[in-house]
Amino acid sequence: EPEVTQTPSHQVTQMGQEVILRCVPISNHLYFYWYRQILGQKVEFLVSFYNNEISEKSEIFDDQFSVERPDGSNFTLKIRSTKLEDSAMYFCASSESRNTEAFFGQGTRLTVV
Amino acid sequence: AQRVTQPEKLLSVFKGAPVELKCNYSYSGSPELFWYVQYSRQRLQLLLRHISRESIKGFTADLNKGETSFHLKKPFAQEEDSAMYYCALKTGANSKLTFGKGITLSVRP
Repeated sequence: EPEVTQTPSHQVTQMGQEVILRCVPISNHLYFYWYRQILGQKVEFLVSFYNNEISEKSEIFDDQFSVERPDGSNFTLKIRSTKLEDSAMYFCASSESRNTEAFFGQGTRLTVV
Repeated sequence: AQRVTQPEKLLSVFKGAPVELKCNYSYSGSPELFWYVQYSRQRLQLLLRHISRESIKGFTADLNKGETSFHLKKPFAQEEDSAMYYCALKTGANSKLTFGKGITLSVRP
């Protein structure tokens, strides 16, 4: 069964460093998402991406964040200058259309020290 | 703005007991409601959505617009139901999901 794949599973980075979280969505899916979950808190929407552009973003998704689909398979989330409060589990998801089920990846645990 | 409330953090029951995981939402339009489940060390996966009106793994959930609720129920819990359960809301205009805080269901033998 096709799955959304995320790498790495765990990333530790120093405050102020740039990180890139990688995702390979399911191949025939057209909508891509990033969510995050700070420890002990709810899963929060960050951004959705369709047709090579951001379709929606939350207040969390400020100028420090960017997303890219650099080729036909990868979907990346970049945090330019990480802060301690960026420490969280980041989930990538994809769906065939806006109205169909979103499939989630296993997540990348980002720890900023 | 939309919001999903799951008032309890933990529900612990014995095997065979009934289960009800509560979910209330706040949204002025017509929402689409979901339950996602996350088993230990596994990814979030869709359990059911209200428009399907189906029973998955013995779980059902009915959308009550009057009470703005979408409680998840199962008449007889099994040990393998132990997991984290998240209620989520999608609004018509967007594809994003708004999640509740989640509840841990623990089913004891």
